[in-house]
Amino acid sequence: QKEVEQDPGPLSVPEGAIVSLNCTYSNSAFQYFMWYRQYSRKGPELLMYTYSSGNKEDGRFTAQVDKSSKYISLFIRDSQPSDSATYLCAMMGSNFGNEKLTFGTGTRLTIIP
Amino acid sequence: SAVISQKPSRDICQRGTSLTIQCQVDSQVTMMFWYRQQPGQSLTLIATANQGSEATYESGFVIDKFPISRPNLTFSTLTVSNMSPEDSSIYLCSVGGRTDTQYFGPGTRLTVL
Repeated sequence: QKEVEQDPGPLSVPEGAIVSLNCTYSNSAFQYFMWYRQYSRKGPELLMYTYSSGNKEDGRFTAQVDKSSKYISLFIRDSQPSDSATYLCAMMGSNFGNEKLTFGTGTRLTIIP
Repeated sequence: SAVISQKPSRDICQRGTSLTIQCQVDSQVTMMFWYRQQPGQSLTLIATANQGSEATYESGFVIDKFPISRPNLTFSTLTVSNMSPEDSSIYLCSVGGRTDTQYFGPGTRLTVL
């Protein structure tokens, strides 16, 4: 079993829709949870990171963590064509920044104008 | 966040040869990481590089195949040695620190014929 599972998609939604991206994990040692966005032929770009269970909002993006269920989500409101990219969830243990990240396989998202 | 550059951005190499990838950061960082992103797969950590010490390799990766240098706090190199087509991948460096999460360079796209 992989430590981090992510539906690879692809996922296509119309512009303006709410997008829900999800990951599950099995390692209870994970303490920090990140979402990266990766455009084609570019490196991953950090969108958000969270530490505790609950929600964190940044503009149109909301990250949600449920440690009891080992489940994290990223919601995108009012989706735009510029949101079309691959979204990667990533996790690390307690040594923030100095540990390896464990990634999901990424979900390819397309927003249809 | 740090600004990270990588050279080359892409290369096509012959089987049996070696390629050295450079990673330059615009500020001093403690930790540098090298990841591999194979088509359709998640990012996988190759090794962690601290300045002034030997790199630490993940299971499945060895120094003879992926030698790493870290001569100072802003620069690192990864060499892919004796390449085979299975080494065709995107190679990414990232930087992190105790007060910040990890940021990624743009990646080096390697094709081995």
